[in-house]
Amino acid sequence: AQSVTQLGSHVSVSEGALVLLRCNYSSSVPPYLFWYVQYPNQGLQLLLKYTSAATLVKGINGFEAEFKKSETSFHLTKPSAHMSDAAEYFCAVSSPSGGYNKLIFGAGTRLAVHP
Amino acid sequence: DAMVIQNPRYQVTQFGKPVTLSCSQTLNHNVMYWYQQKSSQAPKLLFHYYDKDFNNEADTPDNFQSRRPNTSFCFLDIRSPGLGDAAMYLCATSRTRDSRGHEQFFGPGTRLTVL
Repeated sequence: AQSVTQLGSHVSVSEGALVLLRCNYSSSVPPYLFWYVQYPNQGLQLLLKYTSAATLVKGINGFEAEFKKSETSFHLTKPSAHMSDAAEYFCAVSSPSGGYNKLIFGAGTRLAVHP
Repeated sequence: DAMVIQNPRYQVTQFGKPVTLSCSQTLNHNVMYWYQQKSSQAPKLLFHYYDKDFNNEADTPDNFQSRRPNTSFCFLDIRSPGLGDAAMYLCATSRTRDSRGHEQFFGPGTRLTVL
């Protein structure tokens, strides 16, 4: 079965610093991977997705992620954190299940950005 | 703008008193999902509708039911809420059930409190 593991339930960075949120996956088939963001009391919004094309994926709000098969990783980065980036971030993998492909989410990483 | 709407945003119910949460969409998507998200946890898929076809997850309690009277609306019914059912309930839609190819769009969620 497919799964994702997010290392670090809480990450804190200074405004302007590099953001690095870690995600490792386990998949028996070539994975489709996603990063979602959830602002307080809101639903999830897709940041970016990897669908076996380019290994470096650019998303919205200046985020990007690099797929590394050798490391089974799909870490999310942003060069310079902004206060508005404070949110919960979920890594997800598409998992075959009963004739369709459902999303399996990681436990999430809460990003805090301080001045 | 096309969107996923959930009503109410906050719902308080009493232990054992049936409650219904509502979701509507203007995206004309074929699939509607219900997720349960407990505090600081990943969203957990409860069930989904593919058109009129209801698909229950194996570990979803019988206490949770759903209805989809038409393409635009989907309801989550909790027949006898327990304290453990307090959570954020997220509705999502997608064009198809293939999460590899089609993004899921999430509503803002309904936060359920059980007293």
